[in-house]
Amino acid sequence: DAKTTQPPSMDCAEGRAANLPCNHSTISGNEYVYWYRQIHSQGPQYIIHGLKNNETNEMASLIITEDRKSSTLILPHATLRDTAVYYCIVRVAGYNRDDKIIFGKGTRLHILP
Amino acid sequence: EPEVTQTPSHQVTQMGQEVILRCVPISNHLYFYWYRQILGQKVEFLVSFYNNEISEKSEIFDDQFSVERPDGSNFTLKIRSTKLEDSAMYFCASSSPPRETQYFGPGTRLLVL
Repeated sequence: DAKTTQPPSMDCAEGRAANLPCNHSTISGNEYVYWYRQIHSQGPQYIIHGLKNNETNEMASLIITEDRKSSTLILPHATLRDTAVYYCIVRVAGYNRDDKIIFGKGTRLHILP
Repeated sequence: EPEVTQTPSHQVTQMGQEVILRCVPISNHLYFYWYRQILGQKVEFLVSFYNNEISEKSEIFDDQFSVERPDGSNFTLKIRSTKLEDSAMYFCASSSPPRETQYFGPGTRLLVL
């Protein structure tokens, strides 16, 4: 089972920042937080990942709380094309046979015009 | 930007027929994966593959499934005798080190009649 908890759905107005929360209270010290999204049955698309520091790339920002038990994905200026299911995933880093991704149900984000 | 490609995008087959789904992973990646997503359900791990052998497989990946890397670029998933319940989107993914970011292809929609 997925080790994260996300709201099933959220709405955000176009042009505003979309803030998607994720709880991962049982996260271990060597586990990263990854975010993917899936736009209408397309392949999951990698967004961003982090260990404990906040991260930013051209798509989004990832804010991880100091205790690492929760995080927030921020899409700074949401557009209609950001409408998708967003998955928060906790994964161990480093070499190991068990490297599969376990997807939960994610958050269905609706961007409203 | 390098990407994972998959062919065909859609495949319709009769129950009991064999199908081969093809994937071209990102060129310098060494770890390969297949996932599937039945309509309306979560993305599920099927199998991981490295150094010409299966690293891990799920319960879904039974004797009807096989994977192969027939040459230096392709990675295939074969379903020997398709069942109605094999109808799903099948996604290929690849990564460089195994627990680094996995990049997904656009998927093959398989419909078994």
